[in-house]
Amino acid sequence: TQLLEQSPQFLSIQEGENLTVYCNSSSVFSSLQWYRQEPGEGPVLLVTVVTGGEVKKLKRLTFQFGDARKDSSLHITAAQPGDTGLYLCAGAHGNAGKSTFGDGTTLTVKP
Amino acid sequence: DAGVIQSPRHEVTEMGQEVTLRCKPISGHNSLFWYRQTMMRGLELLIYFNNNVPIDDSGMPEDRFSAKMPNASFSTLKIQPSEPRDSAVYFCASSLRRDPGYTFGSGTRLTVV
Repeated sequence: TQLLEQSPQFLSIQEGENLTVYCNSSSVFSSLQWYRQEPGEGPVLLVTVVTGGEVKKLKRLTFQFGDARKDSSLHITAAQPGDTGLYLCAGAHGNAGKSTFGDGTTLTVKP
Repeated sequence: DAGVIQSPRHEVTEMGQEVTLRCKPISGHNSLFWYRQTMMRGLELLIYFNNNVPIDDSGMPEDRFSAKMPNASFSTLKIQPSEPRDSAVYFCASSLRRDPGYTFGSGTRLTVV
């Protein structure tokens, strides 16, 4: 059973465009993380959101946690080729210590 | 800090051989995780440790897989005997317990022929 569904699975856009990717679940999470993974490397943590409705900004990236803590979105403004990569969301339950990962969105930003 | 260090980066082995993957977590982190990543199944949690103690190994696919953490600075994942379907990228990650964000290593790409 896939607990976290990410959409779209693939996204190819031109430099300068805006985009939003989604992470949805039927489960409630105590926190949710977003990672970016580049080819040949491990995922790198971008942000953790904890509170329902929380919005965090990291330069041109805006992350939002759903009010019910079941879903999240990542919005990128004026995408750049350096934003290319696999974006993964991961949800954690309480203090269990382990996170479940979605299958990711592969983003390609063309110059 | 050098981050989470995994070795080797690449491993090619023949079916039936024993494979040992190694991980050095970030100093001070007390949780360690082993994940496997494939195109078909994404990132799958194999096992994780808190304070060197295995907490959940329900993701270990078969008895051919075993993991140890003899001390806070070292962990191994062993596959014996290896099979072609074990081919994947294996990641080690560490974190402070109760901190949901992980630091991943660069992974070991395993190919079993």
